[in-house]
Amino acid sequence: GQNIDQPTEMTATEGAIVQINCTYQTSGFNGLFWYQQHAGEAPTFLSYNVLDGLEEKGRFSSFLSRSKGYSYLLLKELQMKDSASYLCAVKDNDMRFGAGTRLTVKP
Amino acid sequence: DVKVTQSSRYLVKRTGEKVFLECVQDMDHENMFWYRQDPGLGLRLIYFSYDVKMKEKGDIPEGYSVSREKKERFSLILESASTNQTSMYLCASSLWQGVGFTYEQYFGPGTRLTVT
Repeated sequence: GQNIDQPTEMTATEGAIVQINCTYQTSGFNGLFWYQQHAGEAPTFLSYNVLDGLEEKGRFSSFLSRSKGYSYLLLKELQMKDSASYLCAVKDNDMRFGAGTRLTVKP
Repeated sequence: DVKVTQSSRYLVKRTGEKVFLECVQDMDHENMFWYRQDPGLGLRLIYFSYDVKMKEKGDIPEGYSVSREKKERFSLILESASTNQTSMYLCASSLWQGVGFTYEQYFGPGTRLTVT
């Protein structure tokens, strides 16, 4: 079957670091995406990994291990505005999304 | 900036009505998608289109149809709305994904549809 699993909710403190994990089992693989979605808004693109390793983009980094079917999104120097849902999505023939991780950043 | 717009933010319809959701993108993207988003289930693909007049079923096409007469416009049609189609509907677009290329999707703001 096709599964994309990520934790439902996470809480972290402003200024801290948080890691959101995503594991996947899909029939094919053409890349993994992370999207951010604030409540009531559209998802917006954060990162894309197609090769193993770490991609860094400012305060956000994303890691991929294709052999393990595993990715994580790392958020550093957390800010209150980072409170949002984070969606992991895998492209095989279609784009398949996980249910999302709702991150709450507390002061 | 890529812009994807949807015809309504909120819509209330009655069971059995025919419902049209419109999506327009202004970046000349080949691919367009319709998803529904429900709590705990994430985004599920209903239909997508990779060219004018072309359409492909996604994971949950039952009860829906689509139309793409122009490149910039992709319509989702609920032939006879039912209460289990109450959901948030998101439209997205992306550049054509050729072999070895995958592009991110740009999403519209969503339409929250309530069927009573």
